[in-house]
Amino acid sequence: EVQLVESGGGLVQPGGSLRLSCAASGFTFSGYEMNWVRQAPGKGLEWVSYISSGGSTIYYADSVKGRFTISRDNAKNSLYLQMNSLRAEDTAVYYCASRVGWGAFDIWGQGTMVTVSS
Amino acid sequence: DIQMTQSPSSLSASVGDRVTITCRASQSISSYLNWYQQKPGKAPKLLIYAASSLQSGVPSRFSGSGSGTDFTLTISSLQPEDFATYYCQQSYSTLSITFGQGTRLEIK
Repeated sequence: EVQLVESGGGLVQPGGSLRLSCAASGFTFSGYEMNWVRQAPGKGLEWVSYISSGGSTIYYADSVKGRFTISRDNAKNSLYLQMNSLRAEDTAVYYCASRVGWGAFDIWGQGTMVTVSS
Repeated sequence: DIQMTQSPSSLSASVGDRVTITCRASQSISSYLNWYQQKPGKAPKLLIYAASSLQSGVPSRFSGSGSGTDFTLTISSLQPEDFATYYCQQSYSTLSITFGQGTRLEIK
């Protein structure tokens, strides 16, 4: 079964750090570009970050640039998001998603909740 | 950044109705427009990619059209399972992907 499973979410204080993971199975992870997308409670979808299949090309949304770092380990079929200097406005469900032709996100994980609060 | 504006923000309709949702881009994005459906507590699901291509497994009552700046998602005959929130997404600019604000489709 084609699947993405996120983990690592939780409650963290403002200014703190958290590392999210996304485990892929059922497809050739190393051949896919990957993204992180988040959704604040009751709000819409916000793209967070992109990484190419080999990891050489990376992009970030302005809202997280300089604070978040995306990475991947193709040998472990895993995607990561290191989140530092967290703010209340980073509170959201974080999804990992694979990117296919025309830039569409065809496979999504179930999401992991990150809450930034004191 | 390319801004995506959906209309309406919410919509009430009945089972069997034909429904159209519009998405407008702040600049031309060719056909780099995708549509997603999201149900409460669930991850988004890809419905349409490249403006008009139906994702595998998606019912044929869903269709997409448009190019440049104006796009539409049409559901030809609403089914009970179609009541959800729909998002458009531009993928023209890989370094800055943007989504529309969403259209909530409710039962009348």
